[in-house]
Amino acid sequence: EPEVTQTPSHQVTQMGQEVILRCVPISNHLYFYWYRQILGQKVEFLVSFYNNEISEKSEIFDDQFSVERPDGSNFTLKIRSTKLEDSAMYFCASSYRLAEGTDTQYFGPGTRLTVL
Amino acid sequence: AQSVAQPEDQVNVAEGNPLTVKCTYSVSGNPYLFWYVQYPNRGLQFLLKYITGDNLVKGSYGFEAEFNKSQTSFHLKKPSALVSDSALYFCAISGYALNFGKGTSLLVTP
Repeated sequence: EPEVTQTPSHQVTQMGQEVILRCVPISNHLYFYWYRQILGQKVEFLVSFYNNEISEKSEIFDDQFSVERPDGSNFTLKIRSTKLEDSAMYFCASSYRLAEGTDTQYFGPGTRLTVL
Repeated sequence: AQSVAQPEDQVNVAEGNPLTVKCTYSVSGNPYLFWYVQYPNRGLQFLLKYITGDNLVKGSYGFEAEFNKSQTSFHLKKPSALVSDSALYFCAISGYALNFGKGTSLLVTP
């Protein structure tokens, strides 16, 4: 069964450094998402991406964040200058998107980002 | 704005007993509701969803959920719990993205 994969599983970085989190969505899916989960808190939406551009983004997704689909398979989340409060589990998800709201999003295993 | 609430942080149930994990929602318009499960050190796994139609939705691993419009609820149920069902369960409501509840930890004891 196809699944979403993410690398690395755990990333440790120093405050102010740039990080890139990588995801390979399910191959025939058209919509891609990033969510994050700060320890002990609920899963929060960051951004959705379709047709090589951002479709929606939350207020969390500020200028420090960017997303890219550099080739036909990878989907990346870049944090330009990490802050301590960026420490969280980051989940990538993908869906086929038949109609807004009704499609099932399939999640990867997550990347745990620790900012020191 | 649409949202879901999971009123219980933790649910404890003995193996073999029925389980219920509660979720209520708030939305203007028709709700699209989902349940996901998260096992330790794993991602979110889709269990089931309600879009329209039959109020009783059947999903993976023997789980089902009942959509109740008058009570604005979408409780997750299973007739007979297994120890392996112990995990974190998230209810979510969908628009352009999923809006999750805070999660309910289910502990099934032998």
